[in-house]
Amino acid sequence: KQEVTQIPAALSVPEGENLVLNCSFTDSAIYNLQWFRQDPGKGLTSLLLIQSSQREQTSGRLNASLDKSSGRSTLYIAASQPGDSATYLCAGWMEYGNKLVFGAGTILRVKS
Amino acid sequence: NAGVTQTPKFQVLKTGQSMTLQCAQDMNHNSMYWYRQDPGMGLRLIYYSASEGTTDKGEVPNGYNVSRLNKREFSLRLESAAPSQTSVYFCASSGPTVYSGNTIYFGEGSWLTVV
Repeated sequence: KQEVTQIPAALSVPEGENLVLNCSFTDSAIYNLQWFRQDPGKGLTSLLLIQSSQREQTSGRLNASLDKSSGRSTLYIAASQPGDSATYLCAGWMEYGNKLVFGAGTILRVKS
Repeated sequence: NAGVTQTPKFQVLKTGQSMTLQCAQDMNHNSMYWYRQDPGMGLRLIYYSASEGTTDKGEVPNGYNVSRLNKREFSLRLESAAPSQTSVYFCASSGPTVYSGNTIYFGEGSWLTVV
């Protein structure tokens, strides 16, 4: 059974802090790794997709890394803002079956 | 751009009632998915369809049926609703294969309460 674990489950930081969200996965069949943002009562928005051949992806203040050998991915958010408050989910694309397996998410609150 | 559209957005059912959640995508994607999201558990895959005419079970398929009506539409049916099926349901669609770095798009969610 594939497992994706996210640590911490919740995080509260003051505005301006740099922060790291962690994701670990147990199944070597995870091919690509994707990070999503979910606002309350809304669907999911893709933030970054790291393909198997890549080690990291960057978009603005966001940087995501992938280390398949250790089964870990991190999402780095620089200079956090109150608008970054949301739930962040990591998910692994399974190599077989074109399926996406999710972690439980990290609830982030950035205080102004 | 409509993207992925799912209906209804909210529904209250009595135990034992049946209902169908509808989903349509306008991006010509081959793959479509139904997930459920419960507090503290992330999203869990119920069923998915890799292409028109095919469906496969995901992690939590019991109590559900699906139909891939055509390339655009993928419906989820609860034949006899149970309180354990109270959840938020998300439909999604994605491009060709995991090897091509496909992106997935989600609908806004359907809030289902079974009393």
